[in-house]
Amino acid sequence: GENVEQHPSTLSVQEGDSAVIKCTYSDSASNYFPWYKQELGKRPQLIIDIRSNVGEKKDQRIAVTLNKTAKHFSLHITETQPEDSAVYFCAATSQTGFQKLVFGTGTRLLVSP
Amino acid sequence: EPEVTQTPSHQVTQMGQEVILRCVPISNHLYFYWYRQILGQKVEFLVSFYNNEISEKSEIFDDQFSVERPDGSNFTLKIRSTKLEDSAMYFCASSEARRGVQFFGPGTRLTVL
Repeated sequence: GENVEQHPSTLSVQEGDSAVIKCTYSDSASNYFPWYKQELGKRPQLIIDIRSNVGEKKDQRIAVTLNKTAKHFSLHITETQPEDSAVYFCAATSQTGFQKLVFGTGTRLLVSP
Repeated sequence: EPEVTQTPSHQVTQMGQEVILRCVPISNHLYFYWYRQILGQKVEFLVSFYNNEISEKSEIFDDQFSVERPDGSNFTLKIRSTKLEDSAMYFCASSEARRGVQFFGPGTRLTVL
């Protein structure tokens, strides 16, 4: 089955810096890659997603890139702010079945003022 | 904006007891999911449900687990005889389409003593 690896596990940046989180997946049939942000004790919230027919997607300060050949995708946050501090999870899902999400292990992002 | 809701927010139970976790998916959504997250770990898929049937389940979802949509709005997860290792945050999610975005509820923290 699908396996998703995520790095780094923790990331500390200064406010205004950029942050990059990387994920790799194992199932070449995966075609949908969402990113969720989870603040302490709260629900995972979708922040951006990408499907396999595009290589990059951007939404204001957040962008996601996908390299299907290498089977990896990355989250880029520019001009980080303290409120970006949270745990970020990548996920992947296959074309088959009912879109079970397979999550990465999470990245704890800390943005210091 | 419509949201997935879950009750209770926190459930404490004794080992061996039955628990029922309740979810109200977004009203026009047709696909429902349960995930769990052990403290400090990644989110893990348990089961997906569509058209009053389980469409996929993970190895975690053994005979002690069951799901039901008892009426037009609720979606429940039952654990028949809880174990200590069932202690986790349980998230319900729903999506409008088979490969649509999954929206998560706020979670139920289950503590088994």
